[in-house]
Amino acid sequence: GAVVSQHPSRVICKSGTSVKIECRSLDFQATTMFWYRQFPKKSLMLMATSNEGSKATYEQGVEKDKFLINHASLTLSTLTVTSAHPEDSSFYICSAGTRRYNEQFFGPGTRLTVL
Amino acid sequence: GESVGLHLPTLSVQEGDNSIINCAYSNSASDYFIWYKQESGKGPQFIIDIRSNMDKRQGQRVTVLLNKTVKHLSLQIAATQPGDSAVYFCAQTNRDDKIIFGKGTRLHILP
Repeated sequence: GAVVSQHPSRVICKSGTSVKIECRSLDFQATTMFWYRQFPKKSLMLMATSNEGSKATYEQGVEKDKFLINHASLTLSTLTVTSAHPEDSSFYICSAGTRRYNEQFFGPGTRLTVL
Repeated sequence: GESVGLHLPTLSVQEGDNSIINCAYSNSASDYFIWYKQESGKGPQFIIDIRSNMDKRQGQRVTVLLNKTVKHLSLQIAATQPGDSAVYFCAQTNRDDKIIFGKGTRLHILP
């Protein structure tokens, strides 16, 4: 139980294009999903908190117009990187569950490479 | 500000020996401290957690120690196996119950 998937697992895009990353809870309903980014050999940095049916809450320094988050259902949240640039290349990881840390389950991550 | 860091970026341990991974944290107001394991190209995997009112907790082959006096957290892995090779992150929760990750220690298992 408590399986979280991400799609795609890897994506390469050209600079200036937009990329959508999906996070799904496969066998449970997630009232809250968190989005993190991780640069090579670095730690995970929380980008935003996504609550089903409401607007996402972004961490300080994260541009909400660049990283669009939609949490349309209890099993799906999407992160869209708009007008992607090479510096957006990173490993994007979601977690799904509730707001409680011990009720969050991490996805396998999506490797984004912007050329 | 909140930060969680680690003393060593890389740790090499002989297979079968015990591993000790250390972590220093700055936010003394956290209720929980957590250790995660991340294998290459994958998301973090929960290993063990400890509440702030405890100083030791044991799991299967793992033990977490918390020293609040010096703001130090450690993870001990007994009889380290090749499958333990990964990056280990300490983390703590903030007042909003969000997870704040440390910098990570890569554990190498020597044959």
